[in-house]
Amino acid sequence: KAGVTQTPRYLIKTRGQQVTLSCSPISGHRSVSWYQQTPGQGLQFLFEYFSETQRNKGNFPGRFSGRQFSNSRSEMNVSTLELGDSALYLCASSLVGTANTEAFFGQGTRLTVV
Amino acid sequence: DQQVKQNSPSLSVQEGRISILNCDYTNSMFDYFLWYKKYPAEGPTFLISISSIKDKNEDGRFTVFLNKSAKHLSLHIVPSQPGDSAVYFCAASGNQFYFGTGTSLTVIP
Repeated sequence: KAGVTQTPRYLIKTRGQQVTLSCSPISGHRSVSWYQQTPGQGLQFLFEYFSETQRNKGNFPGRFSGRQFSNSRSEMNVSTLELGDSALYLCASSLVGTANTEAFFGQGTRLTVV
Repeated sequence: DQQVKQNSPSLSVQEGRISILNCDYTNSMFDYFLWYKKYPAEGPTFLISISSIKDKNEDGRFTVFLNKSAKHLSLHIVPSQPGDSAVYFCAASGNQFYFGTGTSLTVIP
C-alpha cells in the first residue's frame, strides 16, 4: 500500500510570508502528527490530529497551525515566516495514535526561509 | 527540556563489528520505546521497538535492550554493514513521540 506522501518536497519562502504543507497518510490511518527537524535539535513535536481534531500540541508559537480533513489528509500552515523556521518538516501517520505503536513517516518537506 | 537523550552525536564502526547506540530517558512513565533510522533527504524509517515489560527485543541483526532502572536503552547491530550508515533516533512513545537528537553511524568497509 502507498506510504505517507508529503508535498511539496522542497520550498523556498521569504521572511514574512506564509506557507502550507500537505500530508496524505497511509490509507486507513486516522492519526497524523507533525514534527520539525533542525540540526542538533532532533525531531520536535508540533501537533497531532485525529479524526479532524487536534489532540495534542507541542511547544511551538501560534504561527504554526494545522488541520485535518475528513479523508485524514492534513495540512500544516506557518504564518509570518522567520529565518529560524527553516527546517525539515515531517509528518507521521499511525492507525489511532503513537501510544505503544510505531508511526510511519513521509519523506518530509524541506522549507528554506530567506 | 529533552526527555530523551542520545549523548553520542556520531559513531564509526568497522564493517562486520558490533555497533552499539545508546539512549537515555528521564521520564519513568515512558513504557514503549522505538528506534528509527534516517537517511539524508528521507523520512525516518521504523526499525525496532520494545515495551517496558521486556528487557530485550531482537529482529535479525538488530537487538534493543532496555534497562528500566537506569532509564537506558541501547540498539545493537551485529554484524554492521555499510548500508547501516545513517542517523539513528531513539524515541519514547506517549501522546507524541519524544525523540533523541540522533546518532550518526558510519560503518567503514
